[in-house]
Amino acid sequence: QSVLTQAPSASGTPGQRVTISCSGSSSNIGSNPVSWYQQLPGTAPKLLIYSNNQRPSGVPDRFSGSKSGTSASLAISGLQSEDEADYYCAAWDDSLNVLFGGGTKLTVL
Amino acid sequence: EVQLVESGGGLVKPGGSLRLSCAASGFTFSVYNMNWVRQAPGKGLEWVSSIGTDSSYKFYVDSVKGRFTISRDNAKNSLDLQMNSLRAEDTAVYYCGRVMGGYDTIDSWGQGILVTVSS
Repeated sequence: QSVLTQAPSASGTPGQRVTISCSGSSSNIGSNPVSWYQQLPGTAPKLLIYSNNQRPSGVPDRFSGSKSGTSASLAISGLQSEDEADYYCAAWDDSLNVLFGGGTKLTVL
Repeated sequence: EVQLVESGGGLVKPGGSLRLSCAASGFTFSVYNMNWVRQAPGKGLEWVSSIGTDSSYKFYVDSVKGRFTISRDNAKNSLDLQMNSLRAEDTAVYYCGRVMGGYDTIDSWGQGILVTVSS
């Protein structure tokens, strides 16, 4: 059972804006930055967001991240069919662990 | 181009051992912390272990402490995971990853290698 909590599924139509949330506690999200990963079917994860809201080069600006207190969010605007994937949040925990969320499966309707 | 290539996976009986390796190229391996992350079939990502640049820091998820050992050879640009006393619940695809900044930030991933623990 993941200590970072994500809704198991989300959906949206092309062009729509969707938000995926990640809830933690004071020992992880509350005191450490959050990263987000995209995993397309059958492939390795890819870093989407780091340090709460920073995008690696090559990641479209349709993807954005934010954090408030012990929760974080990933927003995807202008939803496209190729965005259909699993999305994971992650954060360092002060107990000397890296925590991943359980993942959110995004469906583009 | 950054490349991470895992090897050493396969089928092993419960209680057995396997050693995974990750060959790194395309970057200065010695200046990056490294992670192992696994994914059980149909499940989410689970962090397994991290190692600092000079091996002075090593961290493990509770479920593998005392059974798995992470190590690295900066001269050979390689990362290893020695897995002993394997259990069925260790069955997963294992990824090695290059850490950027905090240990939670993996900016490059290998393709993954399957470990199956079954009798």
